[in-house]
Amino acid sequence: ETGVTQSPTHLIKTRGQQVTLRCSSQSGHNTVSWYQQALGQGPQFIFQYYREEENGRGNFPPRFSGLQFPNYSSELNVNALELDDSALYLCASSLGSRRSGANVLTFGAGSRLTVL
Amino acid sequence: DQQVKQNSPSLSVQEGRISILNCDYTNSMFDYFLWYKKYPAEGPTFLISISSIKDKNEDGRFTVFLNKSAKHLSLHIVPSQPGDSAVYFCAASALYTGNQFYFGTGTSLTVIP
Repeated sequence: ETGVTQSPTHLIKTRGQQVTLRCSSQSGHNTVSWYQQALGQGPQFIFQYYREEENGRGNFPPRFSGLQFPNYSSELNVNALELDDSALYLCASSLGSRRSGANVLTFGAGSRLTVL
Repeated sequence: DQQVKQNSPSLSVQEGRISILNCDYTNSMFDYFLWYKKYPAEGPTFLISISSIKDKNEDGRFTVFLNKSAKHLSLHIVPSQPGDSAVYFCAASALYTGNQFYFGTGTSLTVIP
């Protein structure tokens, strides 16, 4: 059973640039969630994808967008990067549906983004 | 608007003693709670969960207690071991939000040998 893998592990961008982060979900999981963890804070929910559709979104602007692919892997795209976007971006997979209750999230190690 | 709060940023405990980590929440709709442990440069690792139909759940050295009336949960680790030194996050979810979890800011636990 493979866990959640994320790439890249670290990256540096400048303000105004765009970034794409990638995530492979744990085998058997069909739901992917993305969280942003700023320094000294807990993870904050960005959005979730279930069967290639967005299934919930947190308080993040539209320049944060995502995709889920048929193999349940996912991408997080951030446009027009700002300094405050510097954070650890965590991907988590789970087995769930719109009608099911909450399920345990399995996290990857994260992608650390620095915006200069 | 912080719906889940961990008011103790850090905690130090002697090896072999009990560690108690606390978490408070404000949303009475939360009905499922998770505890995660995080080491530096790693993703959070799931420890234990509890749903609102229970007030206690045990798994080995880890026990989570839920007090719904006080909107409070706690994680007890007995006995504490040096390898337990990590940052602990509590997270909460409501049925209507599915897998969207609200996390606290974490408590850094240091277990002193």
